[in-house]
Amino acid sequence: KQEVTQIPAALSVPEGENLVLNCSFTDSAIYNLQWFRQDPGKGLTSLLLIQSSQREQTSGRLNASLDKSSGRSTLYIAASQPGDSATYLCAVKGTYKYIFGTGTRLKVLA
Amino acid sequence: EAGVAQSPRYKIIEKRQSVAFWCNPISGHATLYWYQQILGQGPKLLIQFQNNGVVDDSQLPKDRFSAERLKGVDSTLKIQPAKLEDSAVYLCASSLEVPQGETQYFGPGTRLLVL
Repeated sequence: KQEVTQIPAALSVPEGENLVLNCSFTDSAIYNLQWFRQDPGKGLTSLLLIQSSQREQTSGRLNASLDKSSGRSTLYIAASQPGDSATYLCAVKGTYKYIFGTGTRLKVLA
Repeated sequence: EAGVAQSPRYKIIEKRQSVAFWCNPISGHATLYWYQQILGQGPKLLIQFQNNGVVDDSQLPKDRFSAERLKGVDSTLKIQPAKLEDSAVYLCASSLEVPQGETQYFGPGTRLLVL
């Protein structure tokens, strides 16, 4: 049974810092991994999707990496801004469905 | 492009009552998902539709929850009767029918409180 863990559960950083969020999963037989952002009281917004054959994806200040063999993915945020404050969730897709982690709650202080 | 629509946005009911949620996915998206997100947790898949058919409903409490997708477009999720532990946000998402890699687009969710 696939389990997805995100560490840390919460993180506060000053504005301008580069930061890394971690996601680990127990079953390496995945099709893809997706990173989402969730703002309070709102739905999820997809940030990056990495196919199982890829090692990383980039969008603006965000870079996500995938290492299937070790069951790990990282989301790198460069030059963080207060507007980046949100909960970040990773989700791993198996045969049919996505399994979500519990998220990392990020606060960027101005 | 219009996003995933959900209604109502909020609902408060008493335990043992019934409630229904509605979702309209992005036009052309064959796959539709219903998730339950309890406070402080990640979303948990309740049911996944591919067009009209059910792909996965292994985590749907079938004694009280039911879902249908009419003509492969809109979907409704029903709870009858509701329990206190059903208090959560119910998220609907949709995606294109791509075998391995598809981006899910989420609606704003319906926040349910069972008293």
